Amino acid sequence: AQSVTQPDIHITVSEGASLELRCNYSYGATPYLFWYVQSPGQGLQLLLKYFSGDTLVQGIKGFEAEFKRSQSSFNLRKPSVHWSDAAEYFCAVGAWSGGYQKVTFGTGTKLQVIP
Amino acid sequence: DAGVTQSPTHLIKTRGQQVTLRCSPKSGHDTVSWYQQALGQGPQFIFQYYEEEERQRGNFPDRFSGHQFPNYSSELNVNALLLGDSALYLCASSLESRGGGTQYFGPGTRLLVL
Repeated sequence: AQSVTQPDIHITVSEGASLELRCNYSYGATPYLFWYVQSPGQGLQLLLKYFSGDTLVQGIKGFEAEFKRSQSSFNLRKPSVHWSDAAEYFCAVGAWSGGYQKVTFGTGTKLQVIP
Repeated sequence: DAGVTQSPTHLIKTRGQQVTLRCSPKSGHDTVSWYQQALGQGPQFIFQYYEEEERQRGNFPDRFSGHQFPNYSSELNVNALLLGDSALYLCASSLESRGGGTQYFGPGTRLLVL
């Protein structure tokens, strides 16, 4: 069975600083990988996804993520954080089981942005 | 293009009662998945519906059941509510018939069980 680990429960960065959120997955084959963002009391919005091909994936709101098979990682990055980026970020892995894709989420990283 | 919609937005029930949550998928999508998100946790997969049948299920008891209609909309039913069922319930839709579709989420229904 697949699993996702987000080792950082809470991260605080200054506005304008760079950001990297860590995500490690466990799965026997090449997974589908996703990053979602959730603002307080809201549903999840897809930031970006990796299915195959170029391992550096560009997403919305200036985010990017890099798939590193050797490290089983899919870290999310942004060069300059804006106050509106404060939210909770979830990494997820989609894996095939019985012909269907099953998506498993990590426990999330809460991002605080200080002025 | 309407996204995923869910109703109601908030719900308060008492222990032992039953609840029905509703979801309309994104236009063109044929698969609906339901997740439970407890406070401070990531979403936990409940089950997935495709072609009006449940085809995957997470580790949730039989008190949790669902249905998908011919127009692809879906309902989540929870019987004999427990205090621990208090959570945000998220619906996600995808186009699984093509295989490996991306899931798009609705805003969720927040359920409080007293």
